[in-house]
Amino acid sequence: QKEVEQNSGPLSVPEGAIASLNCTYSDRGSQSFFWYRQYSGKSPELIMFIYSNGDKEDGRFTAQLNKASQYVSLLIRDSQPSDSATYLCAVNTRGLSFGAGTTVTVRA
Amino acid sequence: ETGVTQTPRHLVMGMTNKKSLKCEQHLGHNAMYWYKQSAKKPLELMFVYNFKEQTENNSVPSRFSPECPNSSHLFLHLHTLQPEDSALYLCASSQSGDANTQYFGPGTRLTVL
Repeated sequence: QKEVEQNSGPLSVPEGAIASLNCTYSDRGSQSFFWYRQYSGKSPELIMFIYSNGDKEDGRFTAQLNKASQYVSLLIRDSQPSDSATYLCAVNTRGLSFGAGTTVTVRA
Repeated sequence: ETGVTQTPRHLVMGMTNKKSLKCEQHLGHNAMYWYKQSAKKPLELMFVYNFKEQTENNSVPSRFSPECPNSSHLFLHLHTLQPEDSALYLCASSQSGDANTQYFGPGTRLTVL
């Protein structure tokens, strides 16, 4: 079983819509969770981190964590063409374990 | 320079060459990491250093040799690589501790001929 799994995508959404990204993890002892965005040819950049169950909002982004279900998600509201990128879910277990990423395309 | 820098940004080498990748962080962090990103694969953690001491080696072949002379600098020495080692090599840094956010450098795009 992979440590971190993401919905495979690609995900195409119209401009202004909500993009929903999902991630599950296998290590029940994991305590910190991160969403990174990676544009093609660039390095990952941090969007959000979440440590506690529930929702965490930052601008147009909302991260949701459910440790009992070992599930973390990212919602992007009012999607913009500039949000088109690959989104990486990462779980911290002795260094970050990354999912394979979900590629999001926002259609103008 | 700010953040995490890596040099060179691009490197082409033959299988018999020896080269080194350099990473420097200007964030006052005390943990540094090497990751490998191959096409169509998740980012793979290679090495972790905390306060200059290696705390994680994720079963990386010995043709990759890390060096961390101080908390701000990290090197990855390469020798007798294989074409399948061609990838983007990313350095990251953080404050020590699993919960802390890691910040990535721009990466070195390595091609092994």
